[in-house]
Amino acid sequence: GAGVSQTPSNKVTEKGKYVELRCDPISGHTALYWYRQSLGQGPEFLIYFQGTGAADDSGLPNDRFFAVRPEGSVSTLKIQRTERGDSAVYLCASSLWADYNEQFFGPGTRLTVL
Amino acid sequence: GIQVEQSPPDLILQEGANSTLRCNFSDSVNNLQWFHQNPWGQLINLFYIPSGTKQNGRLSATTVATERYSLLYISSSQTTDSGVYFCAVTETSGSRLTFGEGTQLTVNP
Repeated sequence: GAGVSQTPSNKVTEKGKYVELRCDPISGHTALYWYRQSLGQGPEFLIYFQGTGAADDSGLPNDRFFAVRPEGSVSTLKIQRTERGDSAVYLCASSLWADYNEQFFGPGTRLTVL
Repeated sequence: GIQVEQSPPDLILQEGANSTLRCNFSDSVNNLQWFHQNPWGQLINLFYIPSGTKQNGRLSATTVATERYSLLYISSSQTTDSGVYFCAVTETSGSRLTFGEGTQLTVNP
């Protein structure tokens, strides 16, 4: 596709459930980033991948959050035992390389934990 | 970590007016981007401008890296310019973007 795509666009789940959010980066982009945006705030960094490996996961809030990118393209953000405080828009971005490169964002997944 | 401050937090304009949005950052950066977040939440890239001046139609931006600020100029504003404008930077030691709190722009007809 021409841009970054994310699925699902909306996800409603119950407290304690497990969810997976998917990101498909721009073709040829080697770096992939996950951010989280709460209402009225700017996006906050979670994790980024250069290729298949997580180069910086210091933004993940706790060990309930995990992300993978097994083939260096599509990435999945996984959240275990969801809490109401996890409700937010989860944004994915990609860039050609990690450094000195413009990041392009997908439309986001709106996660609501009831 | 690096701090990013945007001003003003809110701005209301009449259609046709000009405006300047400011972004201050607390440390050296190797990447600075301006985004427009539309009402559907999509972040639209406006400028990739770690230094210098760029123009794109009615929009232009200037980053003075040595003084740690960037300005976004919007001329002849239109109602479709409404939304939140974010400045985001990457520290020289990393690749993550750190965002400011945004400027909420409302352009009235």
